[in-house]
Amino acid sequence: DQQVKQNSPSLSVQEGRISILNCDYTNSMFDYFLWYKKYPAEGPTFLISISSIKDKNEDGRFTVFLNKSAKHLSLHIVPSQPGDSAVYFCAASGRSGGSNYKLTFGKGTLLTVNP
Amino acid sequence: KAGVTQTPRYLIKTRGQQVTLSCSPISGHRSVSWYQQTPGQGLQFLFEYFSETQRNKGNFPGRFSGRQFSNSRSEMNVSTLELGDSALYLCASSPSGRDYNEQFFGPGTRLTVL
Repeated sequence: DQQVKQNSPSLSVQEGRISILNCDYTNSMFDYFLWYKKYPAEGPTFLISISSIKDKNEDGRFTVFLNKSAKHLSLHIVPSQPGDSAVYFCAASGRSGGSNYKLTFGKGTLLTVNP
Repeated sequence: KAGVTQTPRYLIKTRGQQVTLSCSPISGHRSVSWYQQTPGQGLQFLFEYFSETQRNKGNFPGRFSGRQFSNSRSEMNVSTLELGDSALYLCASSPSGRDYNEQFFGPGTRLTVL
């Protein structure tokens, strides 16, 4: 039962262009969403988050959009740089029951930014 | 400030054995979470501890267990290892357990079961 889904295993973009990574969720108890970036042989690092009371959050080149009615969020990276090449994980958390104090992750999307 | 450390970094075991992995959180962090990462399933939540108490547990069999000590260091144990337990085991620490923007992951322990 995959509650957080990243349907694209990989994405390739040109340097300077926009990268858009997508994520869907099924659990309506989720109220906080995050994106993590992971390089090989390292643990994931927090990138950006969004609360369910917002529909957009920006941090420099990174913007996360949340569409609650569609249970969909996306991460936009503009402009993309070769150093952004990594696996990106979408994660979600809730404030009650089984969703409390845990993150539910998607399977990740490998982003490759070509020079 | 030192980051999250995990020991050992690599481990090779055979089926039926048991293994104990260790995680030292960032100083001052009281919450430690454990995750299993496999190519097929991505990152899956194992359990979370705060002040020596388990607050949430994922859908793993009872062979997977953990504990947290008074200094917030945590261990996880897997008994009767199976081939499918081969994975990268990650721990993450945060001050309280829900401040995910302040949650930091360790580099992981790569467990191979032969």
